[in-house]
Amino acid sequence: ETGVTQSPTHLIKTRGQQVTLRCSSQSGHNTVSWYQQALGQGPQFIFQYYREEENGRGNFPPRFSGLQFPNYSSELNVNALELDDSALYLCASSPSRGFFTDTQYFGPGTRLTVL
Amino acid sequence: DAKTTQPPSMDCAEGRAANLPCNHSTISGNEYVYWYRQIHSQGPQYIIHGLKNNETNEMASLIITEDRKSSTLILPHATLRDTAVYYCIVRASNYGGATNKLIFGTGTLLAVQP
Repeated sequence: ETGVTQSPTHLIKTRGQQVTLRCSSQSGHNTVSWYQQALGQGPQFIFQYYREEENGRGNFPPRFSGLQFPNYSSELNVNALELDDSALYLCASSPSRGFFTDTQYFGPGTRLTVL
Repeated sequence: DAKTTQPPSMDCAEGRAANLPCNHSTISGNEYVYWYRQIHSQGPQYIIHGLKNNETNEMASLIITEDRKSSTLILPHATLRDTAVYYCIVRASNYGGATNKLIFGTGTLLAVQP
């Protein structure tokens, strides 16, 4: 069974640029969540996708957007990058059975540095 | 805001049991207690979760008090590889397709000493 994978591992961008991060969910999982983790802090929830639709959003501006594809992989897009966007971006997948969404399993993360 | 309180750091000798406390005095009846850990610069790793009964798996045991206002994660024989930040999280059971988002606090840094 393949776990959650993310790409790229590291990324360096400059302020004002746009970035796309990718996540492949664990086999059999149809729900993907994205988190941002600043240095020394716990992860903060950005949003969640369930069957290609956004299913909840945290306190992040609209320049943070996402997609989920029919194979349940997902992208996180960030426009107009700011220095404070420098962080570890984590993707987590979970299975949903009927109405109940289960435990989340995390990928290794993408380290984004904005200069 | 996180609904849990954890000590910022703890030490444990290698081979001994590590007991990590968590206070969740405002927990609701439908909220689970989840534990994750994060080894430096890696993604959080799921450890265990429970509602009101004690739970055990191959990684750890979770002891939840009868009033559910606190819990303890027990690593029975800590090794150097258990050095990590441990997060205690309360999460509502989410029927009806509601998000199962996790709200992380700052966790406990467990340092296992040789």
